[in-house]
This record gives sequence, C-alpha cells and structure tokens, in this order.
Amino acid sequence: AQTVTQSQPEMSVQEAETVTLSCTYDTSESDYYLFWYKQPPSRQMILVIRQEAYKQQNATENRFSVNFQKAAKSFSLKISDSQLGDAAMYFCAYRSSPDAGGTSYGKLTFGQGTILTVHP
Amino acid sequence: KAGVTQTPRYLIKTRGQQVTLSCSPISGHRSVSWYQQTPGQGLQFLFEYFSETQRNKGNFPGRFSGRQFSNSRSEMNVSTLELGDSALYLCASRRTGGDYGYTFGSGTRLTVV
Repeated sequence: AQTVTQSQPEMSVQEAETVTLSCTYDTSESDYYLFWYKQPPSRQMILVIRQEAYKQQNATENRFSVNFQKAAKSFSLKISDSQLGDAAMYFCAYRSSPDAGGTSYGKLTFGQGTILTVHP
Repeated sequence: KAGVTQTPRYLIKTRGQQVTLSCSPISGHRSVSWYQQTPGQGLQFLFEYFSETQRNKGNFPGRFSGRQFSNSRSEMNVSTLELGDSALYLCASRRTGGDYGYTFGSGTRLTVV
C-alpha cells in the first residue's frame, strides 16, 4: 500500500516571500500521479498542481511549482510571491496509474496536511 | 460550468439513525469518489463509482455504502450511525479517458450526537 507523509504540520510565510512545503511518499509502483490540493476554510479541496511520474520535468502553475525527485520519492511544493489568499491547509496526494488496477484504482492517498499561514 | 454539488451542507443525526448524502458531479464527469475527513484520521477513501458500478472500496465497515445513478449522481449511505462517524464527507468527480485531477465539492459536515 502507498503512504504519503507531510512532515510539517504548520508553516508560515510573509506576504510576497517564498515557501516550500514538503511531501514524501512510499510506493513500489513506477507509474503514478502526484497532486497538491489546497483546502481553505470554505472546505472545498482545490487542485493546485499535478505531476505525472513518468515526466521528469517539474510541473509549474503560475506561482506554484514542484520539485519532483522520483528516486528520493519526494514531491515538494514551492509557492512564490505568497499572497494572503494562499493561506489554507495543503495536502499532498498520490494516485496509482490506471494500469495498476486492483485496489489502487481511482483512489487518492493523502498526506496529513500542512497548515500554511501567510502574514501581511 | 457548475462544480461538484453536495447536499446537504450540514447535518445533525442521532446515534443509531441512518443518513444519506448526495453528490452531483460536474456535467460529463462519470467517475465519483467519496472521502471521509476527520481531524484524527485525515482524509480517507471510501469508494469510487464509474458508470453505476463500484470500482474500488476503502477500508470502512459495511455500514457505509453508496451508489451511482445513470446520470452520474451519487449517494452514500451510513446506517446505524456512531459518534465516530462525525466527519466532513467529501465527494470528488473527474473526467475519464486520461488523467485529470479530481474536482471536489464543499462537503457535507455530519455531526452524530
């Protein structure tokens, strides 16, 4: 079974600064997908960025980028030019490739989350 | 484009009762998944449905069940409620035929008293 670990329960950053959230995972699969989700107080989980394991290039979405280290099973999220609206709980999630089938199919495995506070 | 709609937003039930939660996916999304979120256990996968068939189920007791209708709308049911079932229940839908991220609803906050 896959596991996802977020070792930082809480992080804080000054507005306009850069912050990096850590995520490690454990899997024996070679093909999979990784995601970062944001959950503000409104409760809705919002997809921030996704990475396909077979792609070596790190994904970027505007101010959000990842550092994907497949061998180290590490998937960190970097938020540049932090804004007050970035304050939320951030979850790292893993999903098996559709080819994996079985009990892994369609299931997202989440880390415990990191609460991000942005100070003005 | 409407997002994933979950109803009701809040629910208070008594131990021993049963409850049904509803989820309407984004139009065109045929896959619907359910997750339970609690402070202690975090986000845990309940089940996934595609074309009215349950394709995967998490490690939850048989009191938790679900179904999906022909229009892709999904319901989950919890029977004989226990205090520990108090949680935020999140529904997510996604397009199939490629890998796209899941789109989540705002959840149903269930409180069992």
